[in-house]
Amino acid sequence: GAVVSQHPSRVICKSGTSVKIECRSLDFQATTMFWYRQFPKQSLMLMATSNEGSKATYEQGVEKDKFLINHASLTLSTLTVTSAHPEDSSFYICSARDLRGQGREKLFFGSGTQLSVL
Amino acid sequence: SQQGEEDPQALSIQEGENATMNCSYKTSINNLQWYRQNSGRGLVHLILIRSNEREKHSGRLRVTLDTSKKSSSLLITASRAADTASYFCATDARLYNFNKFYFGSGTKLNVKP
Repeated sequence: GAVVSQHPSRVICKSGTSVKIECRSLDFQATTMFWYRQFPKQSLMLMATSNEGSKATYEQGVEKDKFLINHASLTLSTLTVTSAHPEDSSFYICSARDLRGQGREKLFFGSGTQLSVL
Repeated sequence: SQQGEEDPQALSIQEGENATMNCSYKTSINNLQWYRQNSGRGLVHLILIRSNEREKHSGRLRVTLDTSKKSSSLLITASRAADTASYFCATDARLYNFNKFYFGSGTKLNVKP
């Protein structure tokens, strides 16, 4: 199946700093990627849809100035948590669809990034 | 969750037993999918059922869909310790030219050896 790589897997930062998370589709092109946030023992919350070459679409209640998304190429989307605070600590996961072949309707996920803000 | 609830929230069974998880959703869908997540990892796709299908099988997995009740169930037969994970249902909401995927609240399955 298609492979999505996400880095870093874990990051610890001080309050007020910005953190960038990368999501790469390794063997396919992804015009659209999805960013999710997951709190402990809870479900995935869709934060935004990243669109190659255009602005991301944010879900209601998600601050676009806080969570900057850039999708500059067909294989890379980045999520930057700006001026991070302890309440931003969470597990962030990206995903993408491989539009080739018959598996186009399912999502392929990165391995996630555990962000801890001190 | 953004889309719906799953029950039970947690399920603990013995190896060899069957595990049934249920999912309810809120909106009209094109398809419903089930994913598995091992602790601290990304999700892996298990099975997809379309809105015009009522039941689907894949190996030890059986999925049912009732669009009138907006609900689905996932049955894992002859469970193994390796099946221990969290299971989520996901529905797609077609918006403009692309799909958005929303996940249920998940069921944490523990299969005891």
